[in-house]
Amino acid sequence: AQSVTQLDSQVPVFEEAPVELRCNYSSSVSVYLFWYVQYPNQGLQLLLKYLSGSTLVKGINGFEAEFNKSQTSFHLRKPSVHISDTAEYFCAVRGQGGKLIFGQGTELSVKP
Amino acid sequence: GAVVSQHPSRVICKSGTSVKIECRSLDFQATTMFWYRQFPKQSLMLMATSNEGSKATYEQGVEKDKFLINHASLTLSTLTVTSAHPEDSSFYICSGKFVTSTDTQYFGPGTRLTVL
Repeated sequence: AQSVTQLDSQVPVFEEAPVELRCNYSSSVSVYLFWYVQYPNQGLQLLLKYLSGSTLVKGINGFEAEFNKSQTSFHLRKPSVHISDTAEYFCAVRGQGGKLIFGQGTELSVKP
Repeated sequence: GAVVSQHPSRVICKSGTSVKIECRSLDFQATTMFWYRQFPKQSLMLMATSNEGSKATYEQGVEKDKFLINHASLTLSTLTVTSAHPEDSSFYICSGKFVTSTDTQYFGPGTRLTVL
């Protein structure tokens, strides 16, 4: 069975500082991993995805993530955050039938 | 591209009534659509998977007679909450997947249901 654990429920950070949001996964089949962002009262927007190939994946809004098979991790990073990055971030793994299994979410709060 | 809309964005209804939520893929054909619910400050929980022209597959613990899902075309899926009760109040989000998708789901903006 597949599962996702997001290790931090809240991450406060100052504007222009770097940030890392941690995600660990468990999967017994081929691993497809995703990061989504959710702004208040909105749906989810895809930030980036790993399906195969290069383990460093670049996404939108300056985010990137690195797939680490040995550590079963897919941490999300951004070198310099903006106030507008304040949102909830979800890591997800593909499950059977193409459904997504989400982590608990990490609330990123960027302060001026 | 890959835009999914939901209607309505917010709905308030009385206990015992039924509510229909529409999910449309605006610029692509979604052979598969997914319905999620999200409680405040929590993650998304998959309710059901629907394939166009077929019966929906419900996740364990989700009452299929209470949450009726219809996926009549490649661009429209509907979720009907029948005999709604206050505990059904939640944020409902749908997503769609391309015919040839590499497993990427595109999400709608969500519908906030409040049952009084």
